[in-house]
Amino acid sequence: EIVLTQSPGTLSLSPGERATLSCRASQTVSSNYLAWYQQKPGQAPTLLIHGASSRATGIPDRFSGSGSGTDFTLTITRLEPEDFAVYYCQQYGNSYTFGQGTKLEIK
Amino acid sequence: QLRLQESGPGLVKASETLSLTCTVSGGSISSSNYYWGWIRQPPGKGLEWIASVYYTGSTYYNASLKSRVAISVDTAKNQFSLKLNSVGAADTAVYYCAGDSSGFHWGQGTLVIVSS
Repeated sequence: EIVLTQSPGTLSLSPGERATLSCRASQTVSSNYLAWYQQKPGQAPTLLIHGASSRATGIPDRFSGSGSGTDFTLTITRLEPEDFAVYYCQQYGNSYTFGQGTKLEIK
Repeated sequence: QLRLQESGPGLVKASETLSLTCTVSGGSISSSNYYWGWIRQPPGKGLEWIASVYYTGSTYYNASLKSRVAISVDTAKNQFSLKLNSVGAADTAVYYCAGDSSGFHWGQGTLVIVSS
């Protein structure tokens, strides 16, 4: 099983700042099949990024994904108030596993 | 636009079987572009993939739950279903159904509480 480790556990930033979230895999993620999700309280997760770097339909361009192999990054430039949420990475190249999540909170 | 809706009991007694159904609308469950899956989230915790199924009936399971889980698809009804037997308190969670096409597209989720 591929284990995904996200860091930091909590990230405290202000609106307008840049957020950088990390996801590290215990093995190479096949074909960079790595997705990022945003989850707000009481809601289902929403797909942001697939294939490590492709934005899902309707996702603003302030969200970007990068990385390959075992190290992946989600970057949010110019944080908006609605961006404060929990973010999960997920690999779907070898079965499916999720990271434990990063909580992005308002500083 | 693809939409998924979970249905089933919100309360299940310990040691019994949890049964959920997901109804897909806005698209065909027989699409070759999608796998269909179940994911759960215990209160205040992270996400755990449970199982997935393809429209042909091919199934895939989380190894940690495989002995207790069955997933199936009904193409005539555009639905897929989950059964989890011998449930305990640790199975209390929000259960999501989702369509996987390079990432999951989620239903709204349904809370299932296991009571003793």
